[in-house]
Amino acid sequence: AQSVTQPDIHITVSEGASLELRCNYSYGATPYLFWYVQSPGQGLQLLLKYFSGDTLVQGIKGFEAEFKRSQSSFNLRKPSVHWSDAAEYFCAVGAGTGFQKLVFGTGTRLLVSP
Amino acid sequence: NAGVTQTPKFQVLKTGQSMTLQCAQDMNHNSMYWYRQDPGMGLRLIYYSASEGTTDKGEVPNGYNVSRLNKREFSLRLESAAPSQTSVYFCASSESWDNSPLHFGNGTRLTVT
Repeated sequence: AQSVTQPDIHITVSEGASLELRCNYSYGATPYLFWYVQSPGQGLQLLLKYFSGDTLVQGIKGFEAEFKRSQSSFNLRKPSVHWSDAAEYFCAVGAGTGFQKLVFGTGTRLLVSP
Repeated sequence: NAGVTQTPKFQVLKTGQSMTLQCAQDMNHNSMYWYRQDPGMGLRLIYYSASEGTTDKGEVPNGYNVSRLNKREFSLRLESAAPSQTSVYFCASSESWDNSPLHFGNGTRLTVT
């Protein structure tokens, strides 16, 4: 079975600074990888996904993520953080033949300081 | 464009009471899901419905039942609520079951005393 680890529970970044959120997965084959964002009181929204092909994927709101098979990682990045990016971010990994096998990480809460 | 709608938004139950959480989607999606979210544990799948007429257990199904009423609606029932079921519940839908992105509702915050 697959698993996913988000090692940072909280991260604080100054507005305008760059951001990198870490995600490590465990799965024997090529996984399906996702990043979701959750604003307070809201459901999760898809930021980006990786299925195959180019290992650098672009998402909404200026986010990107890079799949590194050798490091079993799928880190999320943004070059310049805005105050509205403050939220909780979830990495998820899917495998096998069915979405029911999607596994979520425990999330990283992003705080943006002025 | 409503997307995924969950009702109610908040609910307080006493131990042993029952209730049904409602979920409806207007995107003509085939698959629907119920997750619970607990601090420090991410989201865990309770039940899912890969297509209309089918339901299956997820990671944490004990104490819950589901009904896929039609293609739009997927309800979650707690027959005898327990404090361990205090959580935020999310309904989600996807176009199909093969790793299509999930679309989430805004959640139901349930407290069981």
